[in-house]
Amino acid sequence: GEDVEQSLFLSVREGDSSVINCTYTDSSSTYLYWYKQEPGAGLQLLTYIFSNMDMKQDQRLTVLLNKKDKHLSLRIADTQTGDSAIYFCAESMNSGYSTLTFGKGTMLLVSP
Amino acid sequence: DTEVTQTPKHLVMGMTNKKSLKCEQHMGHRAMYWYKQKAKKPPELMFVYSYEKLSINESVPSRFSPECPNSSLLNLHLHALQPEDSALYLCASSPRTGDGANVLTFGAGSRLTVL
Repeated sequence: GEDVEQSLFLSVREGDSSVINCTYTDSSSTYLYWYKQEPGAGLQLLTYIFSNMDMKQDQRLTVLLNKKDKHLSLRIADTQTGDSAIYFCAESMNSGYSTLTFGKGTMLLVSP
Repeated sequence: DTEVTQTPKHLVMGMTNKKSLKCEQHMGHRAMYWYKQKAKKPPELMFVYSYEKLSINESVPSRFSPECPNSSLLNLHLHALQPEDSALYLCASSPRTGDGANVLTFGAGSRLTVL
């Protein structure tokens, strides 16, 4: 079955890089997602990666995937106070019909 | 239009009330979802509609009753709720294609308080 684990809290200073980590357990072909949730708001998709890829970059965001260790990370370069939010890692099977399994979320706090 | 719109944003109801949460999308997505989210927790899946038919019910109590009148609308009817049902209720939609990622677009949520 699918299980997704995340560290619960990360605090960084503005301008530093943030790295949020996630581990997953499903060994089948799978998609892995990063969602951002600001206080009182819904979830916003940041990016996703297929499990046969190693890396994906989109502006300040870099996703790295270590398939051997089933470890996923989200790096945010030049972190801003507006990046303070909860970040959820999620996993789904390789099917548009698959439901998502979410991690517990990592709260990122960016201080000036 | 790339949004999922949820109304109302906030709802306070008593345990004997009947109310409804509404969700609308115009992206042509054929799957729609209800999630429940408690504070500082991940979203929990409640229901999935696929092509306007209920495809997943995650053992949700019958005091929550979903309805999908057409491919753009999703309702959640609430009756005789308990205080522990207070939460953020999130609606989401996705294209429902075959192989590939299942990319969900979420609404901003309806914050429900049951007194």
